[in-house]
Amino acid sequence: KAGVTQTPRYLIKTRGQQVTLSCSPISGHRSVSWYQQTPGQGLQFLFEYFSETQRNKGNFPGRFSGRQFSNSRSEMNVSTLELGDSALYLCASSLGSSSDIQYFGAGTRLSVL
Amino acid sequence: KQEVTQIPAALSVPEGENLVLNCSFTDSAIYNLQWFRQDPGKGLTSLLLIQSSQREQTSGRLNASLDKSSGRSTLYIAASQPGDSATYLCAVRMNTGFQKLVFGTGTRLLVSP
Repeated sequence: KAGVTQTPRYLIKTRGQQVTLSCSPISGHRSVSWYQQTPGQGLQFLFEYFSETQRNKGNFPGRFSGRQFSNSRSEMNVSTLELGDSALYLCASSLGSSSDIQYFGAGTRLSVL
Repeated sequence: KQEVTQIPAALSVPEGENLVLNCSFTDSAIYNLQWFRQDPGKGLTSLLLIQSSQREQTSGRLNASLDKSSGRSTLYIAASQPGDSATYLCAVRMNTGFQKLVFGTGTRLLVSP
């Protein structure tokens, strides 16, 4: 069974640009969550999608947005990139119940210059 | 606001030692707690998930305990090996958080041959 797949693995962008990250969950999983990991703030929750609906949202500015498609694949978009957006972005998938294990992808490392 | 702390921040031990990693959280209204390991530059690998109604979970050389009332969890690693070297993270899921995980600060473990 394939794991959680994130593409691309690495991205380099300049300030002001926008970027789209993709996450394909484990087959059968309907929940996809996104996290940002930085050395200073650690791992922080961005948002969760379940059956194409945003179910929960963290404390990030509106420049961070996401969506989920009918096949459960999810995309995250960051507009007007800032230097502070440089981070490892991780997505996790699960069946969707609160008792379920979350499985993480390898992440997308975004560098903003 | 839930805060999750891990002590120590870093630990260095010789191969073969048994060791304990600590995780504490401020709000006991958790649904479950999950332990992960993260290798440098990589995603997270789930190790153990403990539901709030459970006291401990075991997988191979790993044993995790949970004391919800005191806001503490421990991860016990028996007979440590160099391959156990990684950063270990605990994360709690709140009762009302759906899939949102609140992560600890992590313990960086180095096991020397």
